[in-house]
Amino acid sequence: AQSVSQHNHHVILSEAASLELGCNYSYGGTVNLFWYVQYPGQHLQLLLKYFSGDPLVKGIKGFEAEFIKSKFSFNLRKPSVQWSDTAEYFCAVQDTGRRALTFGSGTRLQVQP
Amino acid sequence: NAGVTQTPKFQVLKTGQSMTLQCAQDMNHNSMYWYRQDPGMGLRLIYYSASEGTTDKGEVPNGYNVSRLNKREFSLRLESAAPSQTSVYFCASSLENTEAFFGQGTRLTVV
Repeated sequence: AQSVSQHNHHVILSEAASLELGCNYSYGGTVNLFWYVQYPGQHLQLLLKYFSGDPLVKGIKGFEAEFIKSKFSFNLRKPSVQWSDTAEYFCAVQDTGRRALTFGSGTRLQVQP
Repeated sequence: NAGVTQTPKFQVLKTGQSMTLQCAQDMNHNSMYWYRQDPGMGLRLIYYSASEGTTDKGEVPNGYNVSRLNKREFSLRLESAAPSQTSVYFCASSLENTEAFFGQGTRLTVV
C-alpha cells in the first residue's frame, strides 16, 4: 500500500519568508502527485499537480513543486509567503491504476504579518 | 457550476442513530469518493466508486455503507453512529487519472 509522509506538521513564518514543505511517498509504481490547500473552514482546493514531463511544476498563487523520482519526493515551495497563505497544505499521491488519492497528514502553515 | 455538493453541512447525532450523507456532482465524473478528515491524520479514504454500480472499500470502511445511486450521486450511510465517527466528511469526484474535486464538507458530531 502506498503512504505519504509530510514531515512538517506546523510551520510558522513571517511574511516574505521563503517556504518549503516536505513530502515523501512510498510506492514503487507510476504515480500522479498533488498538493492541495485548505483555507480555514473551507474545502480542499488544488494548488498544483504532476503527471509527467518537467519535474518542476508551477501552480497557482506563486507555488511550485519539484518531483525528484530518486528520492520519492514532491516538495512544495514558495519564494515569499503572504499572510493570506495561512492554511493547511496536503500532499497526495495517486496510483495511476487505482484513481483514489492517498493523502499525507497535512502541514499547517501560519504566516505572521 | 455547482461542482460537488454535499448535504447537510452540519449534523449532530446521538450514539446509535443512523443517517445518510448525500453527495452529488455535476461534472460528469466517473469516480467518486468519501473521505473523513481528523486532526493530525489528513484525509482517509472510506469508500470509493470507480463507476456507476461499483463501490470499493478504502482505508477506513468499518461502520459505513455507500450507494452509488447513479453517475451523479454517491451517498454515505452510518447505520449506528459512534463517537469515533465524529469527523469532517468530504465527498470528491474525478475523471480517470486526474485531480479530485472536493465538496464543502459535512461536520458530524456524535454524542
